[in-house]
Amino acid sequence: DTGVSQDPRHKITKRGQNVTFRCDPISEHNRLYWYRQTLGQGPEFLTYFQNEAQLEKSRLLSDRFSAERPKGSFSTLEIQRTEQGDSAMYLCASSLKQASGITYEQYFGPGTRLTVT
Amino acid sequence: GDSVTQMEGPVTLSEEAFLTINCTYTATGYPSLFWYVQYPGEGLQLLLKATKADDKGSNKGFEATYRKETTSFHLEKGSVQVSDSAVYFCALSDPLTNAGKSTFGDGTTLTVKP
Repeated sequence: DTGVSQDPRHKITKRGQNVTFRCDPISEHNRLYWYRQTLGQGPEFLTYFQNEAQLEKSRLLSDRFSAERPKGSFSTLEIQRTEQGDSAMYLCASSLKQASGITYEQYFGPGTRLTVT
Repeated sequence: GDSVTQMEGPVTLSEEAFLTINCTYTATGYPSLFWYVQYPGEGLQLLLKATKADDKGSNKGFEATYRKETTSFHLEKGSVQVSDSAVYFCALSDPLTNAGKSTFGDGTTLTVKP
């Protein structure tokens, strides 16, 4: 078990550019979540997948954001036409929904820190 | 909707002092409660959890008890160390009704001085 990994760890981009982040969850976990964390705040939920299906999106996820989990394993989060307000830490987490319907705790990756200049 | 309120920081303590970080929550269901710790430049690490009322979660000398009557989950440690300096987040998640996603407090920054 290598834990949740994210790539890149840091990204600096100019306003208007597109960026893509990758998350590799714990291999046996069927749920994957994206959160955004700004300075001095707790993480805020963006979206989550069960296997390859995107089941919920937060109102925080504007039209410029898109997430995929094509084969139910890794996931990508793309931000198009970045704005300075997109600067934040983007966290990925994974968990296991059991047959009982209960989902246990989430395991977080190290995050990708995005700076839009 | 669900929400978590943490005591505001920052909190500065001397080594070996007693730590309490208050956390209260609002939830419609029967949430599980968590404390996460975040070190500078890193993601969140699960510190401890409690899944039902009166459960006590503990890890690395930290403890928190799920109090349904006061809707609280206060974090305590009897003797802090410099290495405990970090940001602590209280969170809740309803494992049955909200897909396991978590609602977090805003975090409390702890600095422990030698």
